[in-house]
Amino acid sequence: GAVVSQHPSWVICKSGTSVKIECRSLDFQATTMFWYRQFPKQSLMLMATSNEGSKATYEQGVEKDKFLINHASLTLSTLTVTSAHPEDSSFYICSARFRRGHEQYFGPGTRLTVT
Amino acid sequence: SQQGEEDPQALSIQEGENATMNCSYKTSINNLQWYRQNSGRGLVHLILIRSNEREKHSGRLRVTLDTSKKSSSLLITASRAADTASYFCATIGYSTLTFGKGTMLLVSP
Repeated sequence: GAVVSQHPSWVICKSGTSVKIECRSLDFQATTMFWYRQFPKQSLMLMATSNEGSKATYEQGVEKDKFLINHASLTLSTLTVTSAHPEDSSFYICSARFRRGHEQYFGPGTRLTVT
Repeated sequence: SQQGEEDPQALSIQEGENATMNCSYKTSINNLQWYRQNSGRGLVHLILIRSNEREKHSGRLRVTLDTSKKSSSLLITASRAADTASYFCATIGYSTLTFGKGTMLLVSP
């Protein structure tokens, strides 16, 4: 299947700082990318959907000013956690899709720990 | 919410045994998918079953779908220690996936 990468794999940052996570589709062009958050022993919760060249659509309860999503190209989307707090510590997973109706391919995830 | 609910929450079996996980969902679907997640890793797509299908096989995996009961099951036959992971069902809404809570499967050698 297609390959989606995330960078970094894990990051530890201090409270109040911002962290950027990258999601790349390596061998296909992704018109849509999705960002999920997963707390320990819980399911994936969709945070937002981003389409290349347009603003992201956030799920209810997700602060758009805190979780900045940029999908500037067909192979790259970034999630920036601004002014991170310990409660933002989580596993963040992205997925990418060529277009609607096609399969989503998931990245390996980024573990964020805010101290 | 269209979130699926898997049961059991956790399952421990011996190698060679079969493992069955169930998933229930709430609204109409076009298809249902099953994913595997190894601890601390991303998701691996296992199998997709469409709403007009009742059963599908892929290797040691067998998935059933009962749209009248809004439920699906995933059967892993002849389990291996490498099958140890969390398994999630997911349904597609307008264009996004909604995941169930998952079943943690532990296969002991």
